[in-house]
Amino acid sequence: DTGVSQDPRHKITKRGQNVTFRCDPISEHNRLYWYRQTLGQGPEFLTYFQNEAQLEKSRLLSDRFSAERPKGSFSTLEIQRTEQGDSAMYLCASSRRTGGAAEAFFGQGTRLTVV
Amino acid sequence: DQQVKQNSPSLSVQEGRISILNCDYTNSMFDYFLWYKKYPAEGPTFLISISSIKDKNEDGRFTVFLNKSAKHLSLHIVPSQPGDSAVYFCAASIQGAQKLVFGQGTRLTINP
Repeated sequence: DTGVSQDPRHKITKRGQNVTFRCDPISEHNRLYWYRQTLGQGPEFLTYFQNEAQLEKSRLLSDRFSAERPKGSFSTLEIQRTEQGDSAMYLCASSRRTGGAAEAFFGQGTRLTVV
Repeated sequence: DQQVKQNSPSLSVQEGRISILNCDYTNSMFDYFLWYKKYPAEGPTFLISISSIKDKNEDGRFTVFLNKSAKHLSLHIVPSQPGDSAVYFCAASIQGAQKLVFGQGTRLTINP
């Protein structure tokens, strides 16, 4: 059993650079979520995919952020022109339950530090 | 606008005693509630959930209570064990929505 896998685990980048994170969900999970967690806060919803369709985006997801899920399998989250405020843990989760809220399974996260 | 609040940033409990973690919410549309546990350098792990049609759900040492009129839920862990030391997040959702709204978390420390 492979859980939700995220890569890389840690990323340090200079302000203004672009970064891309990858998430591989649990196989057969058709729902995939991205959350962001800053220090001392709980995870905050960023976006949600059902299969390859991005069905919901938070207003937190500025135009510098883009997420994709080609072929409904893995997903990528790209941040362009990173800012220090982007420093956070980026969490990916997946679920297969239908009809509403689900007990999503989370990956270990990618910790981004913008210097 | 913090719709889900965990007002206690930390809680310290002696091993073997009961741990009670609390969570309040403001949005009356929430109808599904979850608790997650998070160890350092790991993602949150689902622990237990409860639907708004129930007021209690139990799973082993973990019980979640829901008081809809007070918009309050709590997680009881009994007996507490050292491995329970972690950050606990409550989360809420609305039926049909795929977004979970999390509280800020409570760091639970179980002392031997």
